Parts: sequence; structure tokens; C-alpha cells
Amino acid sequence: EVQLGESGGGLVQPGGSLRLSCAASGFSFSGYWMHWVRQTPGKGLVWVSRIRGDGHDTTYADSVKGRFTISRDNVINTLYLQMNSLGFEDTAIYYCVRGGTFYSVPFDNWGQGTLVTVSS
Amino acid sequence: QSALTQPASVSGSPGQSITISCTGTSSDVGGYKYVSWHQQHPGKAPKLILYDVSSRPPGVSLRFSGSKYGNTASLTISGLQAEDEADYHCSSYTNKKTVVFGGGTKLSVL
Repeated sequence: EVQLGESGGGLVQPGGSLRLSCAASGFSFSGYWMHWVRQTPGKGLVWVSRIRGDGHDTTYADSVKGRFTISRDNVINTLYLQMNSLGFEDTAIYYCVRGGTFYSVPFDNWGQGTLVTVSS
Repeated sequence: QSALTQPASVSGSPGQSITISCTGTSSDVGGYKYVSWHQQHPGKAPKLILYDVSSRPPGVSLRFSGSKYGNTASLTISGLQAEDEADYHCSSYTNKKTVVFGGGTKLSVL
């Protein structure tokens, strides 16, 4: 069974940093694209970033480019999102999502999400 | 990249069929077969119900079907059931190698 478990969310002040982690199990982690998707409570989903299975291809949404860094450790089957220069607009539930093998989509498995709150 | 356009809400009675539209551009929905739909119940993570416009993952009811014409994709739910009441989100791969979602549609089963 595919399992994705996010951690690392919490309360952070504007301008601060946070690192999210996602522990993956139940599948060959290194063979899949992985993504981060966020959702402001009560609103729509917003794609944040993706990383290829070998970690050598990454893409970011314009809204986080230069501030967020996606990475992965295929030895311990963990996905990361380093978030710097956080602003109020980054407040959201962050989901770790499994993509495809050759293509980066579809999003066939989602974690339960971790809440990031940016507040002073 | 602007969000795909979905109606904010739709409603239907048990047993009826409803359709939710998802409109993008030639840079996303119109340019690729990689349109997906996700169902999300309150307080839960989204769940994939359709991918590649009309393919269903294992275990997803045949009552869910999808189509695409030009820059608009559609999700149809037939034989509405109470358990179908949820938010539905469409998404598409884009020509910038990103993914764009719609704003989500709240389905009410009256």
C-alpha cells in the first residue's frame, strides 16, 4: 500500500523558513516523480513544485521560484520542501503527492497534508 | 499560469446526472491529454478519480466519466449518490512543465 506522510508544518513568522518532509513507503520511491501541492483552507489546490525520480529535474510555480527548494533522498525514501522568505500568502496545507513514472502526472496518491501558518 | 475555470457549485438530486466543466487554454487543457479530476471530501486529502481525460484508476466507480473538447474538459457523474457530495478539482499539465488546477467545484446532492 502506498503511504505518504508529511511532517514539519507549523507556525512561522513572515520572512522565516521551514522545511517540510514526506516519508514514502509501499512503492519504488526513486522511480516516481514527486510533487508538492498546497491548499489554502476552504479554497482550491495550487501546484507548488515537482522533482523527477533521480532528483535531477525540478520545476517550480512562479509564486515560489527562488524561495522554495524541492529535494529528495532516495536512500531513505523521503521528499523535502525547503521554504524560505515565507509570506502570509504561503499559509496553506501542503500535500506530498506521487506523480507518474515516465510522465510527471497523474497525481495518484496524496498524503494527508501538513499545515503551514505564516503569522506574526 | 492562470487557474483553470470551474463553476463554483453545482447540485443535483439522487439518481440524476451532473456535469462539471473545466476551461483552460491551448497551453494546458487544449494542448495535452493530461487532464485529471480529483474528489475531495471535507477535511480529507484529494483522491484521483479520472486521469488522461477519461481513464479511471482501479476502484473508481463507472459512474464517473470524463471528456474533452478543445480547451474545455468535463466530468460527468451519473446516478448521483449522497456520497458523491464533495469538492471536485480539475488539473492539467501545461506547456511550462507545470500543473495548473481549477478553482474547485462544490457538488451538493439535494
